[in-house]
Amino acid sequence: QQQVKQSPQSLIVQKGGISIINCAYENTAFDYFPWYQQFPGKGPALLIAIRPDVSEKKEGRFTISFNKSAKQFSLHIMDSQPGDSATYFCAASVPDGLTFGKGTHLIIQP
Amino acid sequence: DVKVTQSSRYLVKRTGEKVFLECVQDMDHENMFWYRQDPGLGLRLIYFSYDVKMKEKGDIPEGYSVSREKKERFSLILESASTNQTSMYLCASSLTQGYGYTFGSGTRLTVV
Repeated sequence: QQQVKQSPQSLIVQKGGISIINCAYENTAFDYFPWYQQFPGKGPALLIAIRPDVSEKKEGRFTISFNKSAKQFSLHIMDSQPGDSATYFCAASVPDGLTFGKGTHLIIQP
Repeated sequence: DVKVTQSSRYLVKRTGEKVFLECVQDMDHENMFWYRQDPGLGLRLIYFSYDVKMKEKGDIPEGYSVSREKKERFSLILESASTNQTSMYLCASSLTQGYGYTFGSGTRLTVV
């Protein structure tokens, strides 16, 4: 049973555009929602995270939007750049574990 | 800068060999994890450890074992490597089980 569903599996965006990756969850006990960014040949690294008492968190060009009633959250990358090309994983935490989505392979075309 | 170090970036092993993947962290974290990453399947948890000499099965433990003799080191063992274990293996550590994971750069294992 997949507890965090992530879409799309792959995404191509033109340079300067907005990249949007969506995730949905079912377990209402999740209390922390991080996004990880993974470049080729590297391990995932924490990019940005949000707690469910906040509807939006912004760090530079990266924004998480969180909809608690819909049990959905999304990552928005504004002014997408070729250097943003990577695999992105959403995740959701409870105190005894972290559950990952299956990842989105993002390509930003110059 | 905190680090999780995996001893090998690339490994090629033969079917039936016993394979050891090593992971060391310098953050004094209690928890360590082994994942495998495959296209379209995301990150799948193999084993984790919340203390020295303690281990717990993850979602796909079959064909693997682990060892944690020291806090900073967590080893993944493939008792008899098979071609379906060809994958990227990622080690991670965290202070608490659910939060603040730091990943290593991964070991790409090919079993021929």
